[in-house]
Amino acid sequence: SQQGEEDPQALSIQEGENATMNCSYKTSINNLQWYRQNSGRGLVHLILIRSNEREKHSGRLRVTLDTSKKSSSLLITASRAADTASYFCATEETSGSRLTFGEGTQLTVNP
Amino acid sequence: DSGVTQTPKHLITATGQRVTLRCSPRSGDLSVYWYQQSLDQGLQFLIQYYNGEERAKGNILERFSAQQFPDLHSELNLSSLELGDSALYFCASSKGGIQPQHFGDGTRLSIL
Repeated sequence: SQQGEEDPQALSIQEGENATMNCSYKTSINNLQWYRQNSGRGLVHLILIRSNEREKHSGRLRVTLDTSKKSSSLLITASRAADTASYFCATEETSGSRLTFGEGTQLTVNP
Repeated sequence: DSGVTQTPKHLITATGQRVTLRCSPRSGDLSVYWYQQSLDQGLQFLIQYYNGEERAKGNILERFSAQQFPDLHSELNLSSLELGDSALYFCASSKGGIQPQHFGDGTRLSIL
């Protein structure tokens, strides 16, 4: 079963705009990770945020984590057509254990 | 390139058959994870091995089994295949601890 829910399910924006995706989860976690999947391909790890962290940046990516609300958000700034993909959040309940994935957000960036 | 190799990339077979999916983890990674991705179930964790031993089990059917060999490669065996087993099967590996998992490109299994 899915741990989390992602919102929105689909997002369509213009190149240069920012994209924000949200993820909610149900149980206590050790860390939360965001992955990207191009159609029919494997998942690519984007960023990992530990449960004691509130915000993390990596290039054009900004992730926030609110453990009191059991939610996270992924912000992609200055989006590009190449950012078009599905984005998944995944929670890890204990260190080195399974990932439980959300249902994903399909992002389309129009040139 | 994630460094995780999965073979074959595509597999087409019939109901009732048995197949073996293979995964070579990234160099140095001791943990191997198997996931199933389908349209109706999303991404589901199946099973995890760490240095040859089973570490965790998820939504893995009794018809499915896996193992990790001394050289750390892993195989996922699917038997008595049903139409509903058609999916993308991913292998991921990690060093363990608070580390990201690195995914292979998957094996697309089609049951006719």
